[in-house]
Amino acid sequence: DAKTTQPPSMDCAEGRAANLPCNHSTISGNEYVYWYRQIHSQGPQYIIHGLKNNETNEMASLIITEDRKSSTLILPHATLRDTAVYYCINSGGFKTIFGAGTRLFVKA
Amino acid sequence: DGGITQSPKYLFRKEGQNVTLSCEQNLNHDAMYWYRQDPGQGLRLIYYSQIVNDFQKGDIAEGYSVSREKKESFPLTVTSAQKNPTAFYLCASSISATLSYEQYFGPGTRLTVT
Repeated sequence: DAKTTQPPSMDCAEGRAANLPCNHSTISGNEYVYWYRQIHSQGPQYIIHGLKNNETNEMASLIITEDRKSSTLILPHATLRDTAVYYCINSGGFKTIFGAGTRLFVKA
Repeated sequence: DGGITQSPKYLFRKEGQNVTLSCEQNLNHDAMYWYRQDPGQGLRLIYYSQIVNDFQKGDIAEGYSVSREKKESFPLTVTSAQKNPTAFYLCASSISATLSYEQYFGPGTRLTVT
């Protein structure tokens, strides 16, 4: 079973920020928070990961709460191509567990 | 152009036949993984390999076999013992199988067994 909890689906208007929440209340001290996304019928794509600090890259920002029990992935200016299933995972390597994720619909 | 390739993209087999799915990476990654995805579901780990000539069972290894004779290759065989083999199969690799490295995925192979 996935160790994270995500809403099953979300909508976002094109050009607006998409904020995808994730709860990972059982995360261990050495476990990272990873985000991947999967566009229909393709392999998942790595987006970003972090341990304690907030992180930003060219795709997204990751905000991790101080107690590390939840995080938010932010796509600052969502486009139609960002429509996908987004997976939040609190581990890496061979302990990576993909749950059902959040299906994000970006609407024009 | 570095990445992971899987072939073929679509594969059709008759029930009772073994079938081997190919996965090749040129990222120089030590770790490789095989996942299975059913419609509307997340990914489930079948096997993983941390280094050449070594591999470990994942959560749903029954009915599958793998080999890791070369660093860049990690083929998966779906045997006739696998009860429900029709699924989308994804191969991935990472620098290491430890907790701190992200995985890179291939495009997947969609297997249909009738």
